[in-house]
Amino acid sequence: EDQVTQSPEALRLQEGESSSLNCSYTVSGLRGLFWYRQDPGKGPEFLFTLYSAGEEKEKERLKATLTKKESFLHITAPKPEDSATYLCAVGHGGSQGNLIFGKGTKLSVKP
Amino acid sequence: DTGVSQNPRHKITKRGQNVTFRCDPISEHNRLYWYRQTLGQGPEFLTYFQNEAQLEKSRLLSDRFSAERPKGSFSTLEIQRTEQGDSAMYLCASSGTEYNEQFFGPGTRLTVL
Repeated sequence: EDQVTQSPEALRLQEGESSSLNCSYTVSGLRGLFWYRQDPGKGPEFLFTLYSAGEEKEKERLKATLTKKESFLHITAPKPEDSATYLCAVGHGGSQGNLIFGKGTKLSVKP
Repeated sequence: DTGVSQNPRHKITKRGQNVTFRCDPISEHNRLYWYRQTLGQGPEFLTYFQNEAQLEKSRLLSDRFSAERPKGSFSTLEIQRTEQGDSAMYLCASSGTEYNEQFFGPGTRLTVL
């Protein structure tokens, strides 16, 4: 069965304390791995798309990497405004474009 | 703002009533998706349109749910005879091509009393 698992469920960091979020996946034919940020009460905001193992994308303090079984979202020197839930999703060969999401990692960055 | 828009943002209804939500995608996007999200969970796929054709529906989508996208522009999602279990955030997303990044709207929060 296609599935996406994110860990940890919640992560508390001090401002400036770097860390990584994990997304492991099992899908029949990966058609892209997507990272989103979601603030409370709002829709997910697109961050990155990764398509093949070894690919990396960066945006400000965030860097996403992809292997054949998992993806990492690295957060370098986070700030309080980085606090949000980070969602991982995969496109899979069994669909025509819908995404399978993980439950997300809730990140809190304290000043 | 040329992003995805959804209306209403909030809807409170009584059990048994019908509700309808609207989604306006990014204008040049021909693919439109509906998802449902409950507290502490990631979005779950409901249905997908390419232009005006509804090409895929989730097994989650019971007979009480119906979606349309007339003329391949905006889309509506109707829930008939609402139940308390329908309470959730209903999200709409659009994309330009298959498996391209999907851009989400702000969602419609449904509360069924």
